[in-house]
Amino acid sequence: EVQLVESGGGLVQPGGSLRLSCSASGFTFSTYSVNWVRQAPGKGLEWVSFIGADPYTIYYADSVQGRFAISRDNAKNSVYLQMNSLRAQDTAVYFCAREYCGRDCHAMDVWGQGTTVTVSS
Amino acid sequence: EIVLTQSPGTLSLSPGERATLSCRASQSVSSGYLAWYQQKPGQAPRLLIFGASSRATGIPDRFSGSGSGTDFTLTIGRLEPEDVAVYYCEQYGSAPFNFGPGTRVDIK
Repeated sequence: EVQLVESGGGLVQPGGSLRLSCSASGFTFSTYSVNWVRQAPGKGLEWVSFIGADPYTIYYADSVQGRFAISRDNAKNSVYLQMNSLRAQDTAVYFCAREYCGRDCHAMDVWGQGTTVTVSS
Repeated sequence: EIVLTQSPGTLSLSPGERATLSCRASQSVSSGYLAWYQQKPGQAPRLLIFGASSRATGIPDRFSGSGSGTDFTLTIGRLEPEDVAVYYCEQYGSAPFNFGPGTRVDIK
């Protein structure tokens, strides 16, 4: 079964750090890009970060640039999101989602169930 | 940065009616990389359409996408009760990628 599972969420104080993990199974992970998308309580979707199948293509939303870092370990079929200097506005459910980019990019076709990050004192 | 706007904010229709959802971009979407997602309460989003008009695997043919440049449309041919959800468009052609604010579809 094709699956993505996020972990690492929790309660953290403002200014603190968390590392989210996205573990993949059921497909050839190394050939897929991965996005992180978040959703604050009662709000819409916000794209956060992208890492390409090659690990050198990386993008961030302006709201997290300089504070978050995305990385991947193909040997472990995993993508990580290191989140530093966390703010109350970072409180959200964080989803990872795969995206295939061959000749064309096919958008995010498989999503995890999400992990909740709460930033509060 | 490309900004997406969606209209209407909420759409309330009867079963069997046709739903037309609009997504407008502040600049032309590169390579037509415009996707539509459906999200039901408490669930992760589900990809419906990619590349503006290609249906994702397993998506019923009552869902169709069209458009190019800055104007895109998602059409639900005949609304069914299970289509109640929020629908988001996303441009993934130019970083930073982003989503529209969503259109809520309800059943009368």
